[in-house]
Amino acid sequence: SAVISQKPSRDICQRGTSLTIQCQVDSQVTMMFWYRQQPGQSLTLIATANQGSEATYESGFVIDKFPISRPNLTFSTLTVSNMSPEDSSIYLCSGWGGKSYEQYFGPGTRLTVT
Amino acid sequence: QQQVKQSPQSLIVQKGGISIINCAYENTAFDYFPWYQQFPGKGPALLIAIRPDVSEKKEGRFTISFNKSAKQFSLHIMDSQPGDSATYFCAAPGVTTDSWGKLQFGAGTQVVVTP
Repeated sequence: SAVISQKPSRDICQRGTSLTIQCQVDSQVTMMFWYRQQPGQSLTLIATANQGSEATYESGFVIDKFPISRPNLTFSTLTVSNMSPEDSSIYLCSGWGGKSYEQYFGPGTRLTVT
Repeated sequence: QQQVKQSPQSLIVQKGGISIINCAYENTAFDYFPWYQQFPGKGPALLIAIRPDVSEKKEGRFTISFNKSAKQFSLHIMDSQPGDSATYFCAAPGVTTDSWGKLQFGAGTQVVVTP
C-alpha cells in the first residue's frame, strides 16, 4: 500500500486569496487524483493529475480555479485560487498504482475561507 | 457519469450485531468495487475490495457480496464493535475506458455501534 501525506493539514484563508496544497506519496504511483469532500458529504473528483502534462478536469471544475501540477511520479500540488466561502471543504489527494486497482488517500486538507 | 447509490444513509447497531450497507451502480468499464472506511478528521482508508471473478470476499469480520446481474454489492460487518463506528463509502469505476483509475463514490453510510 502507498502512504500519502498532505500539507497543510488545515488552513483558514481570506476571501480572494489562493492556497496551494501539497501531496506526497511514498512510492511511485501511476495516477494521482484530487477530490473535494464537503463535511458530512461524499467525495467528488476534481481532476486527474498527469505527470508532465496538464491535468484532466471533471465536469464543473476548471484549471483557472484549481491549477494542478505533477512534476514527478510521487508529488502533486493543487491550488485553490481566488477563494470564496463556497470553497470551504476538505481536499483529498489519492494515489493509484495501476496494477492492483487499489487507490489510497491522504489525510486531507481542511480549508476554511472567511 | 457513473451513479452509485448507497443505502442506508445511517445505521445504528448494537455491539455484536451485523451491519449491512448496500450499493448499486449503473455501468462500469472495469470490474473493481472497493469499500472505504472514514473516521472523523481522517482520509478514507481502503477497507476491502472485490473483483467480481468471485461473488463474495471475506476479510476478518468484513464481507463483500456481489451480484453482477443486479449490479449491486454490499458490505457486511459481522460482530460489529464500537471501533467500527465510522462512515463507510462504496465506490465503483467509471463507465468509459478513459476513466481508468477514477472512482465514483456513494453518498456514504454513517454507522454507529452502541456498547
